[in-house]
Amino acid sequence: AQKVTQAQTEISVVEKEDVTLDCVYETRDTTYYLFWYKQPPSGELVFLIRRNSFDEQNEISGRYSWNFQKSTSSFNFTITASQVVDSAVYFCALSLITGANSKLTFGKGITLSVRP
Amino acid sequence: DTAVSQTPKYLVTQMGNDKSIKCEQNLGHDTMYWYKQDSKKFLKIMFSYNNKELIINETVPNRFSPKSPDKAHLNLHINSLELGDSAVYFCASSGGTVYNSPLHFGNGTRLTVT
Repeated sequence: AQKVTQAQTEISVVEKEDVTLDCVYETRDTTYYLFWYKQPPSGELVFLIRRNSFDEQNEISGRYSWNFQKSTSSFNFTITASQVVDSAVYFCALSLITGANSKLTFGKGITLSVRP
Repeated sequence: DTAVSQTPKYLVTQMGNDKSIKCEQNLGHDTMYWYKQDSKKFLKIMFSYNNKELIINETVPNRFSPKSPDKAHLNLHINSLELGDSAVYFCASSGGTVYNSPLHFGNGTRLTVT
């Protein structure tokens, strides 16, 4: 069985602060994908990143960066110089590579509030 | 153009009624899904279809019946609605099995059962 844990439930920061959202996953499979999705107050789910289990390189996209560490089963997400528009619920998710029965297992989400 | 569109956006109805939510994707994807997001924001898969064939049925009550007339459409019909069915229902699609491409979600349908 697979599981995704986002231990932080709510985080509040002041604009321009850096913030890291934690994600820890559990799976017995050696091949899998990890994802982050953003859900702003308007409610839609926006894909941010996908990372496969064979690629432990960190990734940076503008103010966003992701740190994948298989040794600790973690896939953390850092927002640098946060902005009010970053306020949203952020979901980490895991998918096993098992063919047509693959499905996303989501963590419970982290509500990030960025105050001006 | 909206990639994954669902209608209606809001649905308010009484217990015991039957309702449907429609979903269409214009991305040419083979696989479509229904996810349910409860009041605590927890997202859980309900169904997936690949080329009109049911692939995943995640122990959802049989009051919920998905229908895929073609690979661009996946509708969700709910019979005898209950208070606990109140949630946001998201349709999604992907280019193949989910590990091949990220899910593209619709904007959600907020169902309120009174």
